[in-house]
Amino acid sequence: EPEVTQTPSHQVTQMGQEVILRCVPISNHLYFYWYRQILGQKVEFLVSFYNNEISEKSEIFDDQFSVERPDGSNFTLKIRSTKLEDSAMYFCASSMIAGNNEQFFGPGTRLTVL
Amino acid sequence: AQKITQTQPGMFVQEKEAVTLDCTYDTSDPSYGLFWYKQPSSGEMIFLIYQGSYDQQNATEGRYSLNFQKARKSANLVISASQLGDSAMYFCAMRGTNTGNQFYFGTGTSLTVIP
Repeated sequence: EPEVTQTPSHQVTQMGQEVILRCVPISNHLYFYWYRQILGQKVEFLVSFYNNEISEKSEIFDDQFSVERPDGSNFTLKIRSTKLEDSAMYFCASSMIAGNNEQFFGPGTRLTVL
Repeated sequence: AQKITQTQPGMFVQEKEAVTLDCTYDTSDPSYGLFWYKQPSSGEMIFLIYQGSYDQQNATEGRYSLNFQKARKSANLVISASQLGDSAMYFCAMRGTNTGNQFYFGTGTSLTVIP
């Protein structure tokens, strides 16, 4: 069964460093998303991406964040200068179409900022 | 604005018994979808069940069913015949057609199945 994959599963970085979290969405999906979950809290939407551009973003997704689909398969989230409060689980998700359809989530990348 | 409320931070259920996890929501969208996801201790998010706001029937998927009461704005998840592997966090989520593609999640309920 097709699935969303994410690498790495765990990333440790120093405050102020740049990190890139990688995702491979399901191959025939057109909509891509990033969410984050701070430990013990709810999942929060960061950004959605369609047709090679951001379609929506939340207040959390400030200038420190960027997303890219560098080729036909990868979807990346870059955090330019990490802060301690960026420590969280980051989930990538994809869906075939917009609308009230299931989003398929990846296994997540746990980011730890020291 | 969309809001999802899960008032049960933790629940316990005896193996083989049924359990109901509560979810209420608030939206001004005329059309919306409600979702439940399971998050085991390993961290991944596993889709369980979906209910559309205009669906006439309550959604069912195997041992999962969604008790959808539109007038009360509730979408409770019922797990029948609980198994030890059902122990996990459960998140209710909503998406409104007027609010783009993002999902709004509740704070989750931690379910523990007792042998």
